[in-house]
Order: sequence, then structure tokens, then C-alpha cells
Amino acid sequence: DIQMTQSPSSLSASVGDSVTITCRASQGIRTFLAWYQQKPDKAPTSLIYGASRLQSGVPSRFSGSGSGTYFTLTISSLQPEDFATYYCQQYSVYPLTFGGGTKVEIK
Amino acid sequence: QITLKESGPTLVKPTQTLTLTCTFSGFSVTSRTMNVGWLRQPPGRALEWLALIYWTGEVRYSPSLRSRLTIIKDTSKNRVVLTMTNMDPVDTATYFCAHRRDYGEIDYWGQGTLVTVSS
Repeated sequence: DIQMTQSPSSLSASVGDSVTITCRASQGIRTFLAWYQQKPDKAPTSLIYGASRLQSGVPSRFSGSGSGTYFTLTISSLQPEDFATYYCQQYSVYPLTFGGGTKVEIK
Repeated sequence: QITLKESGPTLVKPTQTLTLTCTFSGFSVTSRTMNVGWLRQPPGRALEWLALIYWTGEVRYSPSLRSRLTIIKDTSKNRVVLTMTNMDPVDTATYFCAHRRDYGEIDYWGQGTLVTVSS
């Protein structure tokens, strides 16, 4: 199985801050990487696929980059609705695997 | 617009078999976009992928749970059913059904259903 490691596991930030979350794959996955946002007691929603492609309707303050084994998700100016948990997921090979999540909290 | 909704028991006893149904709209069970899977999330923990079925009938399972899982599509209705045998308290989780875009990311999720395993 491909292991996905996210860091940090949590972070505190203020509205307007820029934050970056990293995700590392235990082996190369090219750009078969997605990012999801999950709010408490809700289902995840898809933010980014193909490592850097925004899903329709996702604000442009979200951006993704990377390929191979190292990926990042950046939120350029945090908004109140962005405080949530973020997961990366590889879909290069089965089994599909997720990172452990990064909780973005209000400072 | 694709929507998915999970249904099934909220409480099962240890050793019992769990049967969950995913009812979806916005695509047909016979369409080439019918790639539906199941994932779960124990309370306070990360997401875990369980199984997926393609429109062709091809199925994929998590290797660690393969012996306990069966995923099928109900061709008479827009439904996908997951069964998990020999349930244990560690299987307590919110179970999600989801649509996978071709061989890409998961683009639509159901709301999830919490299943508790307890005697």
C-alpha cells in the first residue's frame, strides 16, 4: 500500500493568513493526488484533483502543487469557512489511501 | 447533479453482518460513469477506503478487509450494496458511499451513516 503522510496534523491560524499543508507519498504517484475538505459531522468535499486542478466552484484562494512524492495545499487568505480538516488522497493505485488529516483551527 | 445517500442499520451486534445500501441519482447503474465505492471514518479518525464497483462490474477491495466485504450493484435500481461480515466494535464508524470519477478522484460523497457495533 502507498502510505500518505500529512503535516502538520493540526495548525492554528487567523483569518487572512496563508497556510500550507504538505502531503508525502511513500512512493511516486505522479499527479494522481486529490485534496478534500471536511467540516465537523459532514461528508468530505472535493477541492483539488490531479494535484493542482480545482474542482468547479472551489475558490481560487485554494491551490495545490507537487508531483511524485511531495505535494502541498495552500490556502492563500483564510476565510472563516475554511476552518476544517483537510485530507490528501492518492488514486494512482489500489488500495486508495488517505493521509491522516490536517485540522485547521482558529487562532 | 449527482447525489448519493446511504441507508442501513445504525446498530449491529458483534459477529453480525452489516448491509448498507447506497441509492444514487444523476447517473444510471448501467452508465459508464457508474463508479461507486464505500469508505468509512471511525470517530475522530481519518478516512479509509473499503471497496468500489465499476460500471463493468469490476470490483476492488481494500486488501485488509477483502475477506469480509462484498460490493454489488442492483441493476434493477440505482443502488449499490455493501456487506461486511463478522462485525466488531472496531468497525464502529461513519460509512460513506461515494462516486469516483472514471479512474480519478472521488468527486461526490453521500452524507454518511454512523454504524455502531455493540452488544
